[in-house]
Amino acid sequence: EVQLLESGGSLVQPGGSLRLSCAASGFAFSHHAMTWVRQAPGKGLEWVSSISGSGGTTYHADSVKGRFTISRDNSKDTVYLQMNSLRGEDTAVYYCAKETVVLPTDYLDYWGQGTLVTVSS
Amino acid sequence: EIVLTQSPATLSLSPGERASLSCRASESVSNYLAWYQQRPGQAPRLLIYAASNRATGVPARFSGSGSGTDFTLTISSLQPEDFAVYYCQQRNKWPRTFGQGTKLEI
Repeated sequence: EVQLLESGGSLVQPGGSLRLSCAASGFAFSHHAMTWVRQAPGKGLEWVSSISGSGGTTYHADSVKGRFTISRDNSKDTVYLQMNSLRGEDTAVYYCAKETVVLPTDYLDYWGQGTLVTVSS
Repeated sequence: EIVLTQSPATLSLSPGERASLSCRASESVSNYLAWYQQRPGQAPRLLIYAASNRATGVPARFSGSGSGTDFTLTISSLQPEDFAVYYCQQRNKWPRTFGQGTKLEI
């Protein structure tokens, strides 16, 4: 059974940093790209970052580029989101999702339950 | 970036009725489009991928159609558990944008 368990969300002051983790199980982790998606309170879904199975290719939304970094440790079956210079508009539930390949692209076929990040003084 | 516009924003129907949700892209995404369902307090769930393919375990009352810029998610006979928010997402180009969602309410 595929499981994705996010952790690391908390209350942080503007300008602060936080690292989210997503521990995966139930599938061949290194064979799958992974993605972070966020959802501000009462709002829709926003794609944040994605990383290839090897970790060699990453993508970030313009809204977080230069502040957030996605990475992974395939020896630990874990993907991370390092968030720096946090702003109020980064307040959201952050979901980790697994990608499955349906050539020539891929889709988010499993999601974690999310972790809440609140940026406030 | 590719903008996805979903309509209507809210759809009010009764159990047993048929629902049609629209997703329009600002440029062609071929058939690289997914639909997700999000129930209150839950994570999103993949329903449809590649515009018309049901994901594992998704009931047959859900169907997707379209290609290029115009897509539709149809629910043939609404069940109580189908009242939720539905999002489309394009998988053709980066950034992987989502539509703003359609809330399906009783």
